[in-house]
Amino acid sequence: AQKVTQAQTEISVVEKEDVTLDCVYETRDTTYYLFWYKQPPSGELVFLIRRNSFDEQNEISGRYSWNFQKSTSSFNFTITASQVVDSAVYFCALSPHFSGNTPLVFGKGTRLSVIA
Amino acid sequence: SQTIHQWPATLVQPVGSPLSLECTVEGTSNPNLYWYRQAAGRGLQLLFYSVGIGQISSEVPQNLSASRPQDRQFILSSKKLLLSDSGFYLCAWSGTGYEQYFGPGTRLTVT
Repeated sequence: AQKVTQAQTEISVVEKEDVTLDCVYETRDTTYYLFWYKQPPSGELVFLIRRNSFDEQNEISGRYSWNFQKSTSSFNFTITASQVVDSAVYFCALSPHFSGNTPLVFGKGTRLSVIA
Repeated sequence: SQTIHQWPATLVQPVGSPLSLECTVEGTSNPNLYWYRQAAGRGLQLLFYSVGIGQISSEVPQNLSASRPQDRQFILSSKKLLLSDSGFYLCAWSGTGYEQYFGPGTRLTVT
């Protein structure tokens, strides 16, 4: 069975602090995709990143960085120098295999509050 | 570029009334389409998904139904709403890239 666990339900940080959101996944597939989404207070989910299981290189995009480690089945998301606009619920998700027709499996989300 | 529309944005309906939420996608063809529900402060619950016209997969038993009358149109319906149907309803589409793109959502309150 496929499963995504985001153990941190809520995190609160002060602006300019770094914060890491944890994501642990379970799958029996050898090939799969991992994703992160951001849900700001407006409600619409915004796609942030997709990573396939063959690529374990870390990725950086501005203040965002992602650390994918197959050995620990983790795909963690770090925000550097957090800002108030980063306040949102963040979801990690897994695509069980490369069929493209299978719905994503989402974690329950982590609510991040960045305090000015 | 692709865009996804949902309407209405907000809806207040009495218990026992019918429901129809509509989702349309522009700028792509033959997308996979999805309906999710999010209760207040909770995660995403997949309700239905469709890989083509007339092809609907239901993930949870409930008093909701979905239809896909056209390639880029996905409709969520109910004949009689329950209080527990209140929530935030999100439509999403995906293509060959596997990631899903979400619409702005409909906030439904059943009174």
